[in-house]
Amino acid sequence: GQQVMQIPQYQHVQEGEDFTTYCNSSTTLSNIQWYKQRPGGHPVFLIQLVKSGEVKKQKRLTFQFGEAKKNSSLHITATQTTDVGTYFCADPSSGTYKYIFGTGTRLKVLA
Amino acid sequence: TAGITQAPTSQILAAGRSMTLRCTQDMRHNAMYWYRQDLGLGLRLIHYSNTAGTTGKGEVPDGYSVSRANTDDFPLTLASAVPSQTSVYFCASSVLANHNEQFFGPGTRLTVL
Repeated sequence: GQQVMQIPQYQHVQEGEDFTTYCNSSTTLSNIQWYKQRPGGHPVFLIQLVKSGEVKKQKRLTFQFGEAKKNSSLHITATQTTDVGTYFCADPSSGTYKYIFGTGTRLKVLA
Repeated sequence: TAGITQAPTSQILAAGRSMTLRCTQDMRHNAMYWYRQDLGLGLRLIHYSNTAGTTGKGEVPDGYSVSRANTDDFPLTLASAVPSQTSVYFCASSVLANHNEQFFGPGTRLTVL
């Protein structure tokens, strides 16, 4: 079946350093979503990418959808302690009503 | 606006017992979902409902059942709990299936002994 893998699984960075997580699908995606889950909290939607090669920015966060629509990335510039949490990509699997979440990347920011 | 509420917040359950996890949303969303989250395995879809009156199986449906009698409520039932069902359970909803962001409830932490 379809798999959505994320790397790395864990990342520790010093505050102010950049961070990137990568999402790779075994099949072509119609679109991709990104969520953030703070420790002890629930996932919160960040953004959705639809077009091949699309790049969207939210302040220090940059999201990119691959040209082949089989991968995506989230880049955080100059991390802050508020960025701590687990970042998930998700494939809404258009047409099948089944969401598939990536394995997640847990980010720890050291002050 | 409450959004999505789940009850209970946490529960310890003896193996073999049944339990229903409750989920209610007040956003009039059509689609609702149940996930379990286990360490290192991310979020896995158990069951979903794209509209009131219909339900479907997700990635890990065995041992769980759901119903969707109305738009707002989507209870998840464990008929005979087993220790492997120890997990954090999240309910979520979206305006429509597939294309919209999901809104998650606060979760229910279930321990089956």
